[in-house]
Amino acid sequence: SQQGEEDPQALSIQEGENATMNCSYKTSINNLQWYRQNSGRGLVHLILIRSNEREKHSGRLRVTLDTSKKSSSLLITASRAADTASYFCAGGSRLTFGEGTQLTVNP
Amino acid sequence: EAQVTQNPRYLITVTGKKLTVTCSQNMNHEYMSWYRQDPGLGLRQIYYSMNVEVTDKGDVPEGYKVSRKEKRNFPLILESPSPNQTSLYFCASSSYRGKGGYTFGSGTRLTVV
Repeated sequence: SQQGEEDPQALSIQEGENATMNCSYKTSINNLQWYRQNSGRGLVHLILIRSNEREKHSGRLRVTLDTSKKSSSLLITASRAADTASYFCAGGSRLTFGEGTQLTVNP
Repeated sequence: EAQVTQNPRYLITVTGKKLTVTCSQNMNHEYMSWYRQDPGLGLRQIYYSMNVEVTDKGDVPEGYKVSRKEKRNFPLILESPSPNQTSLYFCASSSYRGKGGYTFGSGTRLTVV
């Protein structure tokens, strides 16, 4: 059963713009995690936000969590072509994933 | 270097020929898990293990077996592979219950003909 559902499924922006991806989840969570995957490669952990946190920053990444709405967002500021990848949210005791958002950053 | 190592990276096999995909981690993680990734379906969990000798089914366990005899290793066994098991497989590990984030292997692309 999928825990996270990302929105939009695909996002195309220009280099330098900000990219925002959203995630909704179904059950209660202890934390919510965001991962990045370059085409055909393994997933890389980006950031973890705990259920008692509302916002967290890491470099150009900003994650928010709204447990009342069971939703989270990932903001990538000043995007670069190298940010082109799929982004997944995941949560739950067994860490189940959504289908991801495919982000394309055009030079 | 902290890592999860999967082997092989690529495998083409025939229907019914038993195979094992190995997974090993060097971070002393209690939790390990197998996922398969298919277009349009995202990542789906096959099996997971909370610790040595403790394994449980994920969302799509049919046709797969696992074992956890040692903390570092979590092999995925396909006793009789079928074409619908053609997929990209990932192993992942984490400290207890994923509270620290998961480390993923590089993936195994399996084709069953």
